[in-house]
Amino acid sequence: SQQGEEDPQALSIQEGENATMNCSYKTSINNLQWYRQNSGRGLVHLILIRSNEREKHSGRLRVTLDTSKKSSSLLITASRAADTASYFCATDPGGYQKVTFGIGTKLQVIP
Amino acid sequence: DTGVSQNPRHKITKRGQNVTFRCDPISEHNRLYWYRQTLGQGPEFLTYFQNEAQLEKSRLLSDRFSAERPKGSFSTLEIQRTEQGDSAMYLCASSLEMRVEETQYFGPGTRLLVL
Repeated sequence: SQQGEEDPQALSIQEGENATMNCSYKTSINNLQWYRQNSGRGLVHLILIRSNEREKHSGRLRVTLDTSKKSSSLLITASRAADTASYFCATDPGGYQKVTFGIGTKLQVIP
Repeated sequence: DTGVSQNPRHKITKRGQNVTFRCDPISEHNRLYWYRQTLGQGPEFLTYFQNEAQLEKSRLLSDRFSAERPKGSFSTLEIQRTEQGDSAMYLCASSLEMRVEETQYFGPGTRLLVL
């Protein structure tokens, strides 16, 4: 079963605009991760945010985490055509429990 | 190349045939994961190994599926008597177990089509 649920499921923006994707989850977590997947290929890890963190930045990426609402958001600023991909959140309960992926947001950046 | 590799990248088979996929993780990683991903969905966990021990198997992993990691390095995933519903992308990932957090590094996947 998939715990994370991304919103929206699809997003289309113009190059240069910001893109925001949201992820909601159900159970407690140790950390939450965001991954990117280009069409039909493997996933690439983007950023990890721990349960005791509220915000984290990496280049043009900004991730927030609200554990009281069990939600996270990924913001991509100044989007580029190369950002076109599917983005997945993955929740890690910690210990020996498995990481669970959401269904993803498909982002299209139009040049 | 120090990334995760998977072979073959594509496999087309007829229903009822057996197929085997291979995953070579990043060399120092002790954890290895298998996932299945169908179109429009996120990866679904199948099983994972810590070194050579298979620690967890998903209910998705029917009796027709078997995975091994005999020497704690590469792993194989075998599907016996394939069915059309097995058509999917099979992803392998590896990680280095850490106390606080771990990041999984994914291979490019093996795309299986069962005719």
